[in-house]
Amino acid sequence: NAGVMQNPRHLVRRRGQEARLRCSPVKGHSHVYWYRQLPEEGLKFMVYLQKENIIDESGMPKERFSAEFPKEGPSILRIQQVVRGDSAAYFCASSPSGLAGGSSYNEQFFGPGTRLTVL
Amino acid sequence: GEDVEQSLFLSVREGDSSVINCTYTDSSSTYLYWYKQEPGAGLQLLTYIFSNMDMKQDQRLTVLLNKKDKHLSLRIADTQTGDSAIYFCAESGLKGAQKLVFGQGTRLTINP
Repeated sequence: NAGVMQNPRHLVRRRGQEARLRCSPVKGHSHVYWYRQLPEEGLKFMVYLQKENIIDESGMPKERFSAEFPKEGPSILRIQQVVRGDSAAYFCASSPSGLAGGSSYNEQFFGPGTRLTVL
Repeated sequence: GEDVEQSLFLSVREGDSSVINCTYTDSSSTYLYWYKQEPGAGLQLLTYIFSNMDMKQDQRLTVLLNKKDKHLSLRIADTQTGDSAIYFCAESGLKGAQKLVFGQGTRLTINP
């Protein structure tokens, strides 16, 4: 069973370029989450998506960042016109469903992350 | 808003018990989690506890939850060198909000 896959594992961009980060969830999982980890910090929630829908984007910066999870294919986190402050590890997680039986138990399976470096 | 706090560093001797502490602010937290992150890797779920429990044990791991004080701890018995990692406490906040709120992580170092 393949877990969550992210690519690339490492990405180097110059300021002003675009970064595209891909996440393939666990097979059969229809919920995807993106988190960002700045150096020496914990993970911060960015966005939660189901297939073709953004459910919660409360953690996404208002500009330059977008995310999608199309009906077919991986989820994409896109960062336009990158700046040095975007350098971080970006983690994707997936879960089989959202609410489970009315509770909020929500095991999220994490990918290995994409480490973005902006020069 | 939701906030989760952890101490940043813990150093223990091999064979001793490690206790990692966490406090949170969201009184509506339903589940609390402990994740382990090894260098250059993603996060691995170690264990979780439902908010109506006060203790959960799983082999060398013991989780204690004091809901009144909003305090969570993870005890690792007989700490081994393979336990060296960063440990993150996390909570699921408001029911229906699927995001996890993480602490800053505690870096556990094992001394021989």
